[in-house]
Amino acid sequence: AQRVTQVQPTGSSQWGEEVTLDCSYETSEYFYRIFWYRQLFSGEMVFLIYQPSFDTQNQRSGRYSVVFQKSFKSISLVISASQPEDSGTYFCALSELITNTGKLTFGDGTVLTVKP
Amino acid sequence: DPKIIQKPKYLVAVTGSEKILICEQYLGHNAMYWYRQSAKKPLEFMFSYSYQKLMDNQTASSRFQPQSSKKNHLDLQITALKPDDSATYFCASSQEWGRNSGNTLYFGEGSRLIVV
Repeated sequence: AQRVTQVQPTGSSQWGEEVTLDCSYETSEYFYRIFWYRQLFSGEMVFLIYQPSFDTQNQRSGRYSVVFQKSFKSISLVISASQPEDSGTYFCALSELITNTGKLTFGDGTVLTVKP
Repeated sequence: DPKIIQKPKYLVAVTGSEKILICEQYLGHNAMYWYRQSAKKPLEFMFSYSYQKLMDNQTASSRFQPQSSKKNHLDLQITALKPDDSATYFCASSQEWGRNSGNTLYFGEGSRLIVV
């Protein structure tokens, strides 16, 4: 069965600092993707970045990057030069490509506060 | 401008009544989804549709019925409402549904339903 765990319910940083948010997951599949979303205070879910399981290279998109440790089934989201506008709830989500196509399994989220 | 429009944004309903949540996407996507986020819980997958055809249903109750009148529409009808149905319902879409697709999901802003 698939499961996603985000053990940090909250996190904080100062403006300009690098922030790391952790996620671990369980899956029996070889092919999967891990997504990161941010939920704004309005409730809107914004897609940030994803990592395919078959790509050994850590993905990067603007100030967002991931540290993918496939053997440990762990992935971290790294936000460089954090800003107060980055505050919100960050969700990690697993998409299994064979048995659960089209379904994302979400973690509980990490509430990030970036202080000015 | 939001590309996935959900209506209404907020809704209060009486126990036992019926409501329809509207979702339209203007991303040209062929797959659409419904997710639910209850208080203090992660998003949970409910339904997936591809080209207006139901692909997966992981909602136990038949009180929840998706309705797709057009390819870019996926409404959610909820009958015999209960207080436990109180949640934010998110509509999402992706280019395609399927194991070989780049199935990044994009979400609407959600419809927050409170059942009293």
